[in-house]
This record gives sequence, C-alpha cells and structure tokens, in this order.
Amino acid sequence: GEDVEQSLFLSVREGDSSVINCTYTDSSSTYLYWYKQEPGAGLQLLTYIFSNMDMKQDQRLTVLLNKKDKHLSLRIADTQTGDSAIYFCAPWGSQGNLIFGKGTKLSVKP
Amino acid sequence: DTEVTQTPKHLVMGMTNKKSLKCEQHMGHRAMYWYKQKAKKPPELMFVYSYEKLSINESVPSRFSPECPNSSLLNLHLHALQPEDSALYLCASSQNPGQGRGGEQYFGPGTRLTVT
Repeated sequence: GEDVEQSLFLSVREGDSSVINCTYTDSSSTYLYWYKQEPGAGLQLLTYIFSNMDMKQDQRLTVLLNKKDKHLSLRIADTQTGDSAIYFCAPWGSQGNLIFGKGTKLSVKP
Repeated sequence: DTEVTQTPKHLVMGMTNKKSLKCEQHMGHRAMYWYKQKAKKPPELMFVYSYEKLSINESVPSRFSPECPNSSLLNLHLHALQPEDSALYLCASSQNPGQGRGGEQYFGPGTRLTVT
C-alpha cells in the first residue's frame, strides 16, 4: 500500500534552518503537501508542490522534490520558536485522499 | 473567511449516550471530510462528502454516522461508542473534491472526545 516515512524528531536553534525530510511510495502522487499542527490545534496547510516541479519557494519555506527518488523535503529558513510544531508530509494518494506521514516534531531552542 | 468551525470543543460521553459533532464552513467548498486523530499519530480519514454525497467511507464502524445537511454543514452522529474511540475529531473542507488539489484542505480546530 501507499506509505510515507518521516523522521519523528528534529531539534534546531532559533535562527538556524530546519530541514524536514519525507519519502513516499506512490509515484502517481500529483500534488504533495506539507501541513503543520501546533499543540491542541487542527492542521494548517503550509505549502504544496506539483509533481512536475523540483522546487517551490514561499517566503521562509522551500520545498524540494526529487520525483525519481520519491523524496520530498521542507526547509524553514531562520527558524523561530513559533515554528515549534509537528509537520506532516502528505502526498495526494491514488485513492483520492491525503496519505499522511507520522509527522516530525520540530523543537526550536532559543 | 477561511475558517472551519467545529462544535463542541470538548465532549465527554458515556458508552450508552448519543451525541453529535458539528462542522461548518462558508468558503463555498464542495468537499468535506471527517478525520480521527489519536495522540501522537497522524489524522486518519473517516468519511468524505463530495457535493453533499458520501463518496468515501473508510470502513468506519456504524456507531459513527455522518450527515451532510447542506454544502456548508457536516455532522458526525455518535452512538454506543467505546473508550478506544476517544480521540481528536477533525473536520476539513476543500474546494476541489477528488482531484490532486483536493489535498488543499482547511481544517477546523477539532473536537476532543472522551468516551467513559
């Protein structure tokens, strides 16, 4: 079946860049999404990339896609304490739904 | 208005109770979703309504009964739940159901359900 893998934890210092990596198995995914979830809250759509793109930049966020290796990454520049949250990689699956990874908990230390 | 609202925020119910969760959006989105999220886990899709018709039911037990009275409202009726059903229930909506951009979903804050 479709699977999405992410590392579970990432810790960075304030001001550094954070890179969250994701691998997925469904090569037919047309859109690949990143969602953020703060404690006790719902999910917030951060950004997405279309499968025919290699890179997408949106302010402090950069998404890189290596379609051949089925590898997606999210880079957050100048990471702030407010970026502390769980980040979910979520390709659009062939069944017409989001396939969520287990989430990466980002901790930002002052 | 890019907000999805959910009521109630918290719900405690016994195993013999009947209760309902409510979700509302006014973005003109044509797809609405129910997800269940256990602690430290990703959301699990339960139901999808597309143009007010149930399009996906992810083999959810019949003690969960969804309803979409109109394009802005989504309900989840609960009956005879088990303690393992305790979780955060999230509602979401999207403009484009069933296509790649259907993943562009707006989530509500969730209802924290505890079954005693």
